[in-house]
Amino acid sequence: EDKVVQSPLSLVVHEGDTVTLNCSYEVTNFRSLLWYKQEKKAPTFLFMLTSSGIEKKSGRLSSILDKKELFSILNITATQTGDSAVYLCAVGDYKLSFGAGTTVTVRA
Amino acid sequence: NAGVTQTPKFRVLKTGQSMTLLCAQDMNHEYMYWYRQDPGMGLRLIHYSVGEGTTAKGEVPDGYNVSRLKKQNFLLGLESAAPSQTSVYFCASSRDISNTGELFFGEGSRLTVL
Repeated sequence: EDKVVQSPLSLVVHEGDTVTLNCSYEVTNFRSLLWYKQEKKAPTFLFMLTSSGIEKKSGRLSSILDKKELFSILNITATQTGDSAVYLCAVGDYKLSFGAGTTVTVRA
Repeated sequence: NAGVTQTPKFRVLKTGQSMTLLCAQDMNHEYMYWYRQDPGMGLRLIHYSVGEGTTAKGEVPDGYNVSRLKKQNFLLGLESAAPSQTSVYFCASSRDISNTGELFFGEGSRLTVL
């Protein structure tokens, strides 16, 4: 059975802090690992990672994948209140298994 | 850009009633999915389809049926609703196997079964 574990489950930070979210996985068929951000409604796509060691960046967000150790991290620097959300990690091929998510709360 | 549209957005059912959730996408995507999201459990795959006329079971298919008669539509049916099916349901689509994994989600349908 595929397994995707995210940690921590939740965290509270202040604006300007840096957060690191973790995602470890054990899946039968790996083609990619994806990060999504979910606010009130639908998850929105952040990153797709397929190769180890190559950092993907988008503004204050960055992510990297380690296919040998089977994990990924998502970093958010200089956090803002708009970063408050649930961050989901998903792994697989055309069928994705999702982790339970990490709830990030950024206080002003 | 409509993207992925789900109807209805909210529904309250009594135990034993039936209903159908409709998902429509206008991106000409081959792959479509139905997920349910429950507190603390992330998104769990119910059923999926890799093309018109095809469907397959996901992680939690019991109590649900699906149909994909047209490429743009993916229907999720509950024949006899149970309180355990109270959840938020998300439909998603992706282009094809070459566009690995990136899903486009609908806004969700909140179902309550009393």
